[in-house]
Amino acid sequence: GAVVSQHPSWVICKSGTSVKIECRSLDFQATTMFWYRQFPKQSLMLMATSNEGSKATYEQGVEKDKFLINHASLTLSTLTVTSAHPEDSSFYICSVSRGSKNSPLHFGNGTRLTVT
Amino acid sequence: AQKITQTQPGMFVQEKEAVTLDCTYDTSDPSYGLFWYKQPSSGEMIFLIYQGSYDQQNATEGRYSLNFQKARKSANLVISASQLGDSAMYFCAMREANSGNTPLVFGKGTRLSVIA
Repeated sequence: GAVVSQHPSWVICKSGTSVKIECRSLDFQATTMFWYRQFPKQSLMLMATSNEGSKATYEQGVEKDKFLINHASLTLSTLTVTSAHPEDSSFYICSVSRGSKNSPLHFGNGTRLTVT
Repeated sequence: AQKITQTQPGMFVQEKEAVTLDCTYDTSDPSYGLFWYKQPSSGEMIFLIYQGSYDQQNATEGRYSLNFQKARKSANLVISASQLGDSAMYFCAMREANSGNTPLVFGKGTRLSVIA
């Protein structure tokens, strides 16, 4: 199946700084990637759909100016958390689909962000 | 309204016994797919099993099987011969529409603890 690499695995940053998270599809060219967020002991919530060569589609309630998504190539999507605040501390995880309706999403290992 | 409902926040099972994790879903789309994922404490999302809405037979993958009852809109995961390594969070998820480039919607999950 598709192999997805996500970096960094964890990051600690100070309030007001920005953090970039990378998601790479290692063996599949992905026109679409999905970014999810998971708060402790909660489910995965879709943040946005990242589309190669065009603007990302954000879910209701997700600030597009705060969570910048760039899908510059068929193998790389990045999520930048701008001006991070402690409430942005969460587990961010990206995923890729091979495109057929019965294809599972293949997930990266996630990034645990802690904002101090 | 919840698309995916998992009513069991936590479950315990004795090692080597079978366990059923419940999942009900809500959709008006005739074509959909149901997925189960395992999330160990490390955070990675491991795909377990898939069931398509038009599949006539229940899906099976090794020790995992899916009890699909379409009329009841339920897709329960059955794990046979539980092992200590099965202790994890389990998420049921659904994809609506006939394309793999749509995201999955996740339930709140069930934490399974396998007891020796």
